[in-house]
Amino acid sequence: QQQVKQSPQSLIVQKGGISIINCAYENTAFDYFPWYQQFPGKGPALLIAIRPDVSEKKEGRFTISFNKSAKQFSLHIMDSQPGDSATYFCAASIPQGGSEKLVFGKGTKLTVNP
Amino acid sequence: NAGVMQNPRHLVRRRGQEARLRCSPMKGHSHVYWYRQLPEEGLKFMVYLQKENIIDESGMPKERFSAEFPKEGPSILRIQQVVRGDSAAYFCASSPYRGGQPQHFGDGTRLSIL
Repeated sequence: QQQVKQSPQSLIVQKGGISIINCAYENTAFDYFPWYQQFPGKGPALLIAIRPDVSEKKEGRFTISFNKSAKQFSLHIMDSQPGDSATYFCAASIPQGGSEKLVFGKGTKLTVNP
Repeated sequence: NAGVMQNPRHLVRRRGQEARLRCSPMKGHSHVYWYRQLPEEGLKFMVYLQKENIIDESGMPKERFSAEFPKEGPSILRIQQVVRGDSAAYFCASSPYRGGQPQHFGDGTRLSIL
């Protein structure tokens, strides 16, 4: 099953708080899990990504937690700022015939209030 | 600008006309993915190409849609006889080699059908 389920659909956080977005997948052949940030009128920009042999990856205020047995991964944004207000997409890719197309979640609209 | 370039940024067509969307990958990248994003939805894979070759077209609608990536020039996504349901944002992403990650996205073409 090539789906990635993302929740919540929208999230409101106060400045300085922690934003948490979750994703779940079924296909254990997925081998790459990126998170993208998208501002209105712009394309998705890669934030951070992880492979399934690692349980956590941190880059600045952004952390991916990966639970292989539960087939879930999440994005944590520490010390959330108003400038983080954007739509966030999780994705997963599977190597298939030389293609590594991305399967995207439906997105989470994050609003960080000042 | 070394990023992925897409043009036009906005395209308006009447039902039945043809739409041509262009994508120039990042410098040094020879692989292009096309994705479609409907309002309030995640991106959906359409096609993956390398120069002069279609690698994976499993996400392309069977009729009216075609894609190419010639030896010289940008990749082109072509939609013939457009219908209202083709209204969407179309993004391309590039990678440096076959199956390479991450994919770097352009800012998309917003296609509106009157």
